Amino acid sequence: DAGVTQSPTHLIKTRGQQVTLRCSPKSGHDTVSWYQQALGQGPQFIFQYYEEEERQRGNFPDRFSGHQFPNYSSELNVNALLLGDSALYLCASSSQAVDYGYTFGSGTRLTVV
Amino acid sequence: AQRVTQPEKLLSVFKGAPVELKCNYSYSGSPELFWYVQYSRQRLQLLLRHISRESIKGFTADLNKGETSFHLKKPFAQEEDSAMYYCALSDHSGNTPLVFGKGTRLSVIA
Repeated sequence: DAGVTQSPTHLIKTRGQQVTLRCSPKSGHDTVSWYQQALGQGPQFIFQYYEEEERQRGNFPDRFSGHQFPNYSSELNVNALLLGDSALYLCASSSQAVDYGYTFGSGTRLTVV
Repeated sequence: AQRVTQPEKLLSVFKGAPVELKCNYSYSGSPELFWYVQYSRQRLQLLLRHISRESIKGFTADLNKGETSFHLKKPFAQEEDSAMYYCALSDHSGNTPLVFGKGTRLSVIA
């Protein structure tokens, strides 16, 4: 079991551009949560997807959007990138059916220049 | 509002010395508390959760509802314990996301 897989591992974008990050959950998990981890900070919750719908959302602007596919994989999209969006983006998967526990991916390091 | 506070950004101890990483929380309901660890060049992973009351790698943590604390302790630090430690909370339903503290970097000196 590969656990949670995220791609790409690193990304450099220019201000104003758009970016898409991808996440494949751990086998058996049906829920995907996305977190942003700025340098020197703990992870901050962006949103959570279950049954292909956004179920909960943190305090992030509408520039941050997502999607979950029938195979439970997920994408995080960020539009109109700002320098402040530079961070490590973490994906965590979990299951609604069993005692929940989050499994984290290694993250995507996004740098906005 | 939900909040997790880890007052120390960096904690340095000598090998064999006791370790205590502090965590205080603010939560209106009945929280579930976690400690996550991130070793160098590795992903974030669960160390322990208070409902399981386990001891993992010699670490323990007791939930003190009166002091709203969930400090992580180990009697004898090892060099391999050097890592970033995050305290986090959620609720018991499993439906709310994790709220993390800013983390404490533990450095164990040989």
